[in-house]
Formats: sequence, structure tokens, C-alpha cells
Amino acid sequence: NAGVTQTPKFRVLKTGQSMTLLCAQDMNHEYMYWYRQDPGMGLRLIHYSVGEGTTAKGEVPDGYNVSRLKKQNFLLGLESAAPSQTSVYFCASTSVGGVSNQPQHFGDGTRLSIL
Amino acid sequence: GENVEQHPSTLSVQEGDSAVIKCTYSDSASNYFPWYKQELGKGPQLIIDIRSNVGEKKDQRIAVTLNKTAKHFSLHITETQPEDSAVYFCAASNTGGGADGLTFGKGTHLIIQP
Repeated sequence: NAGVTQTPKFRVLKTGQSMTLLCAQDMNHEYMYWYRQDPGMGLRLIHYSVGEGTTAKGEVPDGYNVSRLKKQNFLLGLESAAPSQTSVYFCASTSVGGVSNQPQHFGDGTRLSIL
Repeated sequence: GENVEQHPSTLSVQEGDSAVIKCTYSDSASNYFPWYKQELGKGPQLIIDIRSNVGEKKDQRIAVTLNKTAKHFSLHITETQPEDSAVYFCAASNTGGGADGLTFGKGTHLIIQP
């Protein structure tokens, strides 16, 4: 009964380092999303995926890359971390839309600090 | 793109009183409006949602109203309890369940005073 699991929960990086955030969901959802949450800014969409092998840009995609090689996993990559990417990152998933559209389910976040 | 404004940013109410949080949206094509509750150190959790073909929806102490003409929707919490203290976010989407992602308001910190 895990739902959406994000790893790691915390990470500190130096400017210029790279890393990958992992999101895994066990609900067989087709759609997955990455958001960032900054103080006073709410959540903003970075990238999303509507199915295995597909990705699309959201509101704030610059500096990030994503991959969806397996239906249950959605990876968010930072190639060269910058202090402006210090944030809390949330992954979410939902099932296919239709008459009974389902809401998005969120993980508990990855807290990332870039020094 | 869509823009969602949320007010107030902080709301303090006495335990047992009602709380109302309001949001406006800009895209008239938006048709799905969820509300999320976020507790410290946790991810947002859906508490209620409404679609554009409905004007009001209730779930026990929580209700949401939608005015499509004015492009605003509100969250109403009655008989507030200490466990209602949290940050609440409204959101909007024009693809049903949010297939292309949600646009969030900036959040309301609700404080329930004992």
C-alpha cells in the first residue's frame, strides 16, 4: 500500500553536481508528474508523462530532464545543479482521464539543497 | 496559460468556527478544481474536488463551491478542529483529472486557535 514513493528524501549537492530523483508508484497509473515547491510559490509543474516512453514540458522545465522507461517509474535529473534549484520536489501520479477522472496522488517529497 | 490566485495567505480562526478560502482562475476552459491539504513534511493530500458541471459539493465538514461565470471557487470548512491546521492549496486544470498537470494557488496557512 505504498502509493507514490520518492527517493531520496533529503540531499545536499554542490553547484555543478548532477543527480537523479526517483519516483515510483504502485497504482498502475498512466500519468506521472514532477513539481517543485518553493516558499510562497505553491507547486509548479516541471515535467510530466502521459505514458511509458513519453515526456512533456511543464511550466518550469529549464535545467531538468526526465525519463519514463518503465510505467511505474519517473526519473527527474539535474545535469548541473544550481542554487536556484534548491527546492522541495514532489512527484504525483494519476490514472487515465475519462468520465470518472481520478485526482493526482502525491509522494512526500525530496528536499534538495544546492550549495 | 492558467493563473490561479488564492486568498488569504494566512487564516486564523477559533476552534469550532468556520473557515473560507477563496481562489480565482483565469482560463475559462478549466474544468477541474481540486483542493489539497498539506501537513508539515508531507506531500499534498486531496481533500475534495469539483468539476465544472457542478456548482457545489460537500463531504462532511468540507464543501466547495464553484462560480464558472465569475471564475472563482471556494473551500468551506465548518466546525473547525485542531487537526484542520495545515496549508491548503487550490488548483485548476482544463483536462479533466489534470492529465496535463495542475496549476496551483500559492496556498493558505490555516491556523486553528484552541
